[in-house]
Amino acid sequence: GAVVSQHPSWVICKSGTSVKIECRSLDFQATTMFWYRQFPKQSLMLMATSNEGSKATYEQGVEKDKFLINHASLTLSTLTVTSAHPEDSSFYICSARSRGLRLQETQYFGPGTRLLVL
Amino acid sequence: SQQGEEDPQALSIQEGENATMNCSYKTSINNLQWYRQNSGRGLVHLILIRSNEREKHSGRLRVTLDTSKKSSSLLITASRAADTASYFCATDGTGANSKLTFGKGITLSVRP
Repeated sequence: GAVVSQHPSWVICKSGTSVKIECRSLDFQATTMFWYRQFPKQSLMLMATSNEGSKATYEQGVEKDKFLINHASLTLSTLTVTSAHPEDSSFYICSARSRGLRLQETQYFGPGTRLLVL
Repeated sequence: SQQGEEDPQALSIQEGENATMNCSYKTSINNLQWYRQNSGRGLVHLILIRSNEREKHSGRLRVTLDTSKKSSSLLITASRAADTASYFCATDGTGANSKLTFGKGITLSVRP
C-alpha cells in the first residue's frame, strides 16, 4: 500500500523559533498533499491543501504567513511553523493523494508530528 | 468546518461484542470514508464507500451508506481489545478540488 512519512515525529522548541515538518510520499507520486492539525481529543482540522508546483490553498482562519507550505516535488511537501508560540503546540498530520486513478480517491496519512512549543 | 457527526461520542463494549458507530453529514458527497486512530498516532484508512454504493464489507468491518438520510454506519463484528481506538468518518465532496472533512470522532473502548 501507499506509504507517507513525516519527519520529525516529535519536536520541542522554544517560543519564537521556526519549525519545519516534512511530509514524503514514499512509493507514489502525490498530486496533492494536505496538512491537518489535531488538538488533544479533537478531530482533524484541515489547514491547507497544496498542489505540486503551485501555491497552497489555506482554510479560513489559517494564517498563511505563519504556516508556510511548500510542495516542491511530487513526493515532498513541507510545513514551516514560523515564530512558534505555545498555542501552536499540536499534532500536525499530513496526507497525500495520488495522481494514479486507482489511488485517487484515497488519502494516505502520515504518522503525524507532535510539536511542543515552550 | 466539520461535516460529519458521529454518534455515539464514546462507546465501551466487551470483547466479542459488536460495535456500531454512526455518522451523519450535511452536503452531497462523492464518497465517505472511515478511519481509525490509535492514541497519539496517525490515521489508518479502514474503508471507503462511494455515493452509489449502499453496503461494503472488509473483514470484520461492515459499512452502510444511506444517501437519502445522509448517514453511514460502521459495524465492527466480534470486537477485540486491539480495536480500542478513535474512529472518524470523513466525507469527500464532489468536484475536482474535493477535500476530506472529518467528523468529531468516536472513542471505542473494548474491554478484554
